[in-house]
Amino acid sequence: DADVTQTPRNRITKTGKRIMLECSQTKGHDRMYWYRQDPGLGLRLIYYSFDVKDINKGEISDGYSVSRQAQAKFSLSLESAIPNQTALYFCATSDQGDRETQYFGPGTRLLVL
Amino acid sequence: AQSVAQPEDQVNVAEGNPLTVKCTYSVSGNPYLFWYVQYPNRGLQFLLKYITGDNLVKGSYGFEAEFNKSQTSFHLKKPSALVSDSALYFCAVRDIGSARQLTFGSGTQLTVLP
Repeated sequence: DADVTQTPRNRITKTGKRIMLECSQTKGHDRMYWYRQDPGLGLRLIYYSFDVKDINKGEISDGYSVSRQAQAKFSLSLESAIPNQTALYFCATSDQGDRETQYFGPGTRLLVL
Repeated sequence: AQSVAQPEDQVNVAEGNPLTVKCTYSVSGNPYLFWYVQYPNRGLQFLLKYITGDNLVKGSYGFEAEFNKSQTSFHLKKPSALVSDSALYFCAVRDIGSARQLTFGSGTQLTVLP
């Protein structure tokens, strides 16, 4: 969905480095999510936010942190990257009135060496 | 706790033939059920959902899914497959009574052979 953008699209980093993945949306949705996708494991929820002041941990939040800078922006940080955080990361949004219909960004492919 | 299983990692079907992608779920209450599709190098796209009402749900691109409560299943179907249907398909569930978020299955790679 072009209304949900993620930067960067690809990133290679080294173990121990701090990195930030950014997500922006123009859909006007109040809810935003970060997922990671690993082969054979599907999508797993890292963090989600129902509005700027509401941040919640998901299934696999350890090693990650987030910031909801505005309704339209939701960033994911890896404080000290490790190789098993190598994955495809997706941001998604949904509207309060239809929260399960989520709109996904194109993904960020992260490689931690 | 809620969970969803997609028992087949890979499904191959010939173009023009009917296709089925299987999904079973486990919830303690009543479920909301969803199918999403992922094309290569793209994010997931919503296909269809079951919330309540008719057990047969119709969605985008000619896909449909049938909610079967007794078998706790929500299989995705299409009467006639197209090569362009080749993609990764994800089933997802939310337990209405106890969960705030979706749980996704591991995905099924559908390949439609010309």
